[in-house]
Amino acid sequence: ETGVTQSPTHLIKTRGQQVTLRCSSQSGHNTVSWYQQALGQGPQFIFQYYREEENGRGNFPPRFSGLQFPNYSSELNVNALELDDSALYLCASSLRAPSEKLFFGSGTQLSVL
Amino acid sequence: DAKTTQPPSMDCAEGRAANLPCNHSTISGNEYVYWYRQIHSQGPQYIIHGLKNNETNEMASLIITEDRKSSTLILPHATLRDTAVYYCIVQAGGTSYGKLTFGQGTILTVHP
Repeated sequence: ETGVTQSPTHLIKTRGQQVTLRCSSQSGHNTVSWYQQALGQGPQFIFQYYREEENGRGNFPPRFSGLQFPNYSSELNVNALELDDSALYLCASSLRAPSEKLFFGSGTQLSVL
Repeated sequence: DAKTTQPPSMDCAEGRAANLPCNHSTISGNEYVYWYRQIHSQGPQYIIHGLKNNETNEMASLIITEDRKSSTLILPHATLRDTAVYYCIVQAGGTSYGKLTFGQGTILTVHP
């Protein structure tokens, strides 16, 4: 148990729709990172939020956006869903430091039909 | 961040030590070596990390060669629950916050 919780655990959407995924950080952590994991692949970094601002972004289009709230929880929003967005979306919280340890949630499995 | 190379799969007998190698020949002086593992249908789990010195915690030991071009993760007494994908990741300290570059990892299978 990492103390990082994600909701919902599973979600089915259709192409073109919008989706919001939620993440609660581990107590004491001030940073949240989001990852996308396609079937059979390693997780890919989407972006990180620190002090409620995006702080680093991977190779994902602007239709992937996020928020971090004052209590350090976070949302990942994906607009105009595409079939290739079907994946496991992972949230990780950490305490910002030169050598960070990331603590991951169990993820949200998103299926786009 | 430097690239890592790991064997695609390894087997280990239950109760024996599992030694997982990782090559990171282009590692820079400020880059840490991290190990994470992912058990099926779960999020990755942090195991251990180090910069230059060998490290040990309650889960594993990390042995880093003197030239830092390779490392070995040691699970001293593997159990069936250690069956997972193990990722060796190199990340620059103080810059690439939160950005871990996962490769394909090593699938470790622990047999009874």
